Amino acid sequence: DGGITQSPKYLFRKEGQNVTLSCEQNLNHDAMYWYRQDPGQGLRLIYYSQIVNDFQKGDIAEGYSVSREKKESFPLTVTSAQKNPTAFYLCASSKREVKNTEAFFGQGTRLTVV
Amino acid sequence: GNSVTQMEGPVTLSEEAFLTINCTYTATGYPSLFWYVQYPGEGLQLLLKATKADDKGSNKGFEATYRKETTSFHLEKGSVQVSDSAVYFCALSPPQGGSEKLVFGKGTKLTVNP
Repeated sequence: DGGITQSPKYLFRKEGQNVTLSCEQNLNHDAMYWYRQDPGQGLRLIYYSQIVNDFQKGDIAEGYSVSREKKESFPLTVTSAQKNPTAFYLCASSKREVKNTEAFFGQGTRLTVV
Repeated sequence: GNSVTQMEGPVTLSEEAFLTINCTYTATGYPSLFWYVQYPGEGLQLLLKATKADDKGSNKGFEATYRKETTSFHLEKGSVQVSDSAVYFCALSPPQGGSEKLVFGKGTKLTVNP
């Protein structure tokens, strides 16, 4: 079945460590997105990519980095510069050129700093 | 720029009550409009969508009508169930496609009590 796979589902990070969240899709979508969700909050866009080897900062990109070397993959690295990384992270993808395009979401990764 | 505004929650209802969650948008042209639902600990799932003015999206007893004149896409359900307890997000897909990104509202938490 086509879809988006995020891994791991739960991730624990020590202070000062970088961690990478995986996002893979087999929907043949050009566009991919990373969102952060805090308790009681909406979605905040971290980074998005409309095409391979290109990506743009979203609203809260500081302390995060991404790469888009393959169409299927859009990993997110939470660096030690991110002061408050504990949150629920959601990856999504969509078609780029076609109107009416909807976003498909993964199941999320819950990151906790210990 | 494009934006989505939805009513703030939380919303608490008794089972079989009528539900309305308001959503208005700002966009140039004719965006596509969506409602997503997020159950606890999960990613977002598409609930319904509408792609042009006066379209009505419907699914699982939920409905929303694309109103161009009022730039609205309010979510309604005639009789809610406990299983409808979730966070609901209104979203738009810009009509231009290309590099434009999806835009989400902040979400409305619904709790349905037996």
